[in-house]
Amino acid sequence: EVQLVESGGGLVQPGASLKLSCVASGFTFSDYWMSWVRQTPGKTMEWIGDIKYDGSYTNYAPSLKNRFTISRDNAKSTLYLQMSNVRSEDTATYYCTSGTLGYWGQGVMVTVSS
Amino acid sequence: DIVMTQAPLSVSVTPGESASISCRSSKSLLHSNGITYVYWYLQKPGKSPQLLIYRMSNLASGVPDRFSGSGSETDFTLKISRVEAEDVGIYYCGQLLENPWTFGGGTKLELK
Repeated sequence: EVQLVESGGGLVQPGASLKLSCVASGFTFSDYWMSWVRQTPGKTMEWIGDIKYDGSYTNYAPSLKNRFTISRDNAKSTLYLQMSNVRSEDTATYYCTSGTLGYWGQGVMVTVSS
Repeated sequence: DIVMTQAPLSVSVTPGESASISCRSSKSLLHSNGITYVYWYLQKPGKSPQLLIYRMSNLASGVPDRFSGSGSETDFTLKISRVEAEDVGIYYCGQLLENPWTFGGGTKLELK
């Protein structure tokens, strides 16, 4: 059974940094591109970016490229999202997804507030 | 960015009846390889989104064949035949043709 389990969310202050993790199981993690998608409290879905199966290439939504960094550790079957200089508009549930968004984790909530 | 526009915002359906959800893209989603890169997802209440349809008309694994997808280069339809209680939730279309991938605003399906 495919499982994607995110962690690392919580309440953070504006301007801070935060790193989310996603541990994958049930499939060969190193064979798949992986993505991060977020959903705002108003239910709007936004693709953040993705990373090639070997970690050699990343794509980002242009609006987030300068603040968000996606990485992976295939030895640990783990995907990461480094968020910097967070803003209130980054408040959302963050999902780890596989390939063309075929599998989704349960999501992790990030709240940016002072 | 490619804009995805869904209609209606919500739909109320009697169990056993059919429902259709529309999605329109601001640009053709037909790639030169002949594949149309529109996808459909369902988010059930309190759950993560799940893939229903990929590449416009292909049923994802484990999805009942009551669901079907169709369309052209810019206009797409998700049809649900014989709606059941488990079909309640928010339906999203998405385009995975070009960066950034984008989604429609969602259509909420409820039962009468």
